[in-house]
Amino acid sequence: DVKVTQSSRYLVKRTGEKVFLECVQDMDHENMFWYRQDPGLGLRLIYFSYDVKMKEKGDIPEGYSVSREKKERFSLILESASTNQTSMYLCASSSRTRYNEQFFGPGTRLTVL
Amino acid sequence: QKEVEQDPGPLSVPEGAIVSLNCTYSNSAFQYFMWYRQYSRKGPELLMYTYSSGNKEDGRFTAQVDKSSKYISLFIRDSQPSDSATYLCATPARDSWGKFQFGAGTQVVVTP
Repeated sequence: DVKVTQSSRYLVKRTGEKVFLECVQDMDHENMFWYRQDPGLGLRLIYFSYDVKMKEKGDIPEGYSVSREKKERFSLILESASTNQTSMYLCASSSRTRYNEQFFGPGTRLTVL
Repeated sequence: QKEVEQDPGPLSVPEGAIVSLNCTYSNSAFQYFMWYRQYSRKGPELLMYTYSSGNKEDGRFTAQVDKSSKYISLFIRDSQPSDSATYLCATPARDSWGKFQFGAGTQVVVTP
């Protein structure tokens, strides 16, 4: 069974803290994505990566950075968390040949106080 | 203006009814459309995809694309309480392969 896992289901952080969200996929996929999901706004792409050490900005990259040192792992970093980054964060992956099919992780509900 | 628009609902239907979900899109060049289902506190999962115009059927689910009106639809026949979820439409973004444009999602509640 294919799987995308995320390091935490729920996370509570304080304003100004550095936050790391980890995502691991076991499907040998080249492409990986980070989204945030907010009511009424749907899924918005933060960053994506189509290869190790490669990254591309999505629609809302401000306040975030990413790291992809290994093919199976894609990390999202909030350098200095703010309350407006309270959200559900979803990681997804897809293969280069079937890139129209994205597989999602269970999500991390991040609350910044 | 978002490239994919979707009514957020909630849409409440009795068990056994037909659920009808819709999205509109703005770019006539879009060729490929997906429907994802997302249960509460879970990530989205791919339900169906379809190319261009026409219908695609998979069990109780039918996906329909009307390119002339830029309208995509998902129908769920004989709805069950287990169909209660948020349904998101999506299409690949124009500017980069592998990226999707998602609708905001429609919450569906099927009552026993």
